[in-house]
Amino acid sequence: EDQVTQSPEALRLQEGESSSLNCSYTVSGLRGLFWYRQDPGKGPEFLFTLYSAGEEKEKERLKATLTKKESFLHITAPKPEDSATYLCAVRPGGSEKLVFGKGTKLTVNP
Amino acid sequence: GAGVSQSPSNKVTEKGKDVELRCDPISGHTALYWYRQSLGQGLEFLIYFQGNSAPDKSGLPSDRFSAERTGGSVSTLTIQRTQQEDSAVYLCASGGKGVLRYNEQFFGPGTRLTVL
Repeated sequence: EDQVTQSPEALRLQEGESSSLNCSYTVSGLRGLFWYRQDPGKGPEFLFTLYSAGEEKEKERLKATLTKKESFLHITAPKPEDSATYLCAVRPGGSEKLVFGKGTKLTVNP
Repeated sequence: GAGVSQSPSNKVTEKGKDVELRCDPISGHTALYWYRQSLGQGLEFLIYFQGNSAPDKSGLPSDRFSAERTGGSVSTLTIQRTQQEDSAVYLCASGGKGVLRYNEQFFGPGTRLTVL
């Protein structure tokens, strides 16, 4: 069964305190791993797609990396506006749907 | 150039009533998806459309749920005889083909459904 597990469930950081969020997955034939950001009361906002182990992508203070079993979302020197829930999802082979984890709620205090 | 839009943004209904939720995808996107997000749960896939066809309906939880898409654009998700466990945020996403964008799904703001 395709499965995505995100950890930790919640993370509190001080402004400027770098950290990483983890996404572990088991999937039959990975056709992409996706990171989204979701603010309260809004739909998920697309951040990154990673397709193969070793791939990395960056956007502002965020960097996503991928191995054969997990992905990390590294947050460098976060700001309060980075506070949100970060969602990880995989697309299994032969499917168009995304399988999501439950997310990591990030709070960055000023 | 607008993103995915959904209506209504909020819907409160009584148990046993039927509801219709609407999704307007990004113009030109051929793929459309419905997901459900319940409190404390991850997003759960419901149905996928390519054009007006639905090749994957595997996530629809019961025969009370149905969806259609017309003109390769607007989609409607219908829930008949609503139950309290149907209360959730219903999210629509669309995706298009292209060299860089084929696999990404772009989400709307969702419809929050509350069944009393």
